Amino acid sequence: DQQVKQNSPSLSVQEGRISILNCDYTNSMFDYFLWYKKYPAEGPTFLISISSIKDKNEDGRFTVFLNKSAKHLSLHIVPSQPGDSAVYFCAASGGSGGSNYKLTFGKGTLLTVNP
Amino acid sequence: KAGVTQTPRYLIKTRGQQVTLSCSPISGHRSVSWYQQTPGQGLQFLFEYFSETQRNKGNFPGRFSGRQFSNSRSEMNVSTLELGDSALYLCASSHLPGGLNEQFFGPGTRLTVL
Repeated sequence: DQQVKQNSPSLSVQEGRISILNCDYTNSMFDYFLWYKKYPAEGPTFLISISSIKDKNEDGRFTVFLNKSAKHLSLHIVPSQPGDSAVYFCAASGGSGGSNYKLTFGKGTLLTVNP
Repeated sequence: KAGVTQTPRYLIKTRGQQVTLSCSPISGHRSVSWYQQTPGQGLQFLFEYFSETQRNKGNFPGRFSGRQFSNSRSEMNVSTLELGDSALYLCASSHLPGGLNEQFFGPGTRLTVL
């Protein structure tokens, strides 16, 4: 049962344009969401997070939008740069008991930014 | 501040053997989580330790075990290795229990089972 889904395995955009990465979740108890970026041969690096009390969080070129009714979040990167080329993972946590002691990850989206 | 370190970085074992992986968290972090990454499966949660107590465990067989020491360093052990255990094993640390704040990941240990 995949509770966090990233339906696009890959995305290709031109340098300077907007990159939009999408993520859907099924567990209505999730209340904290994060995006990580991963380069080959490195561990994931935290990018940005959002709690369920907000619908938008911005940090420089990165903005995360949360639509709780649709159980959907998205990461916008503007403008996209070649150095942004990496695998992006969406993650979520929340719930009772031990459920909020772990992050549930999606399978990732490979973003390629072409010069 | 030093980041999360994992040793060894690469490991080759044969089926039936056991392996121990080590993780040193960022200084001051009390939570250590372990994940398995395989192609096409993303990061799958193994377990999380906070102040030497296992707080949550993922859906992995009992061959996968872990522990955390008083200095917050953690070890993960896999016994009776199978070919399907070949993966990148990632450890992450954080101030608070794993799902409540951002986690900082180490570079991972690449395990190959022959």
